[in-house]
Amino acid sequence: GAGVSQSPSNKVTEKGKDVELRCDPISGHTALYWYRQSLGQGLEFLIYFQGNSAPDKSGLPSDRFSAERTGGSVSTLTIQRTQQEDSAVYLCASSVDARVYEQYFGPGTRLTVT
Amino acid sequence: EDKVVQSPLSLVVHEGDTVTLNCSYEVTNFRSLLWYKQEKKAPTFLFMLTSSGIEKKSGRLSSILDKKELFSILNITATQTGDSAVYLCALAGTYKYIFGTGTRLKVLA
Repeated sequence: GAGVSQSPSNKVTEKGKDVELRCDPISGHTALYWYRQSLGQGLEFLIYFQGNSAPDKSGLPSDRFSAERTGGSVSTLTIQRTQQEDSAVYLCASSVDARVYEQYFGPGTRLTVT
Repeated sequence: EDKVVQSPLSLVVHEGDTVTLNCSYEVTNFRSLLWYKQEKKAPTFLFMLTSSGIEKKSGRLSSILDKKELFSILNITATQTGDSAVYLCALAGTYKYIFGTGTRLKVLA
């Protein structure tokens, strides 16, 4: 079956512009996770959804970051007024539910802010 | 502050060697420790460890968790060039996953 997909695969944007990143989880997976990976760094947890609800948003780096999930499926991560330090690979993962910790990762979106 | 530290940061070995990767942590209230392999972009799941002292094995890979000493190890025996990757350790809490920065393993032919 299809894995986790993310779009776009690459995004180059000018500083100050807004960007929207999309994640399509594996069908039937109720838990969805967003991570950020800067060059040479580990994964930074941003937010997780169980269904359409995000129990804890404290991992989002600033109030310029927001995420939503609709219909228990697709999720979007929005970054407003992008800054150069936002440049990173943004990874999405999904799992059957939040109690099952085996996460399946998408290929990521490489965001470059110029 | 919760912390996951992996060592060594990088490692170069020859095919056939055995390697041991370390993950130590200072995390309260976690439920499981997970190991992932990251070759290009997307990490792939290797192991989930919940109980202390119980070894998990998958082919040439094995892992164990020590909740008393707060660490886990990932062993790879008879390494192959295809094992070259970054190996990530993560602690799963109630709502958060805390990843280490990884160990970059390079296996030379």
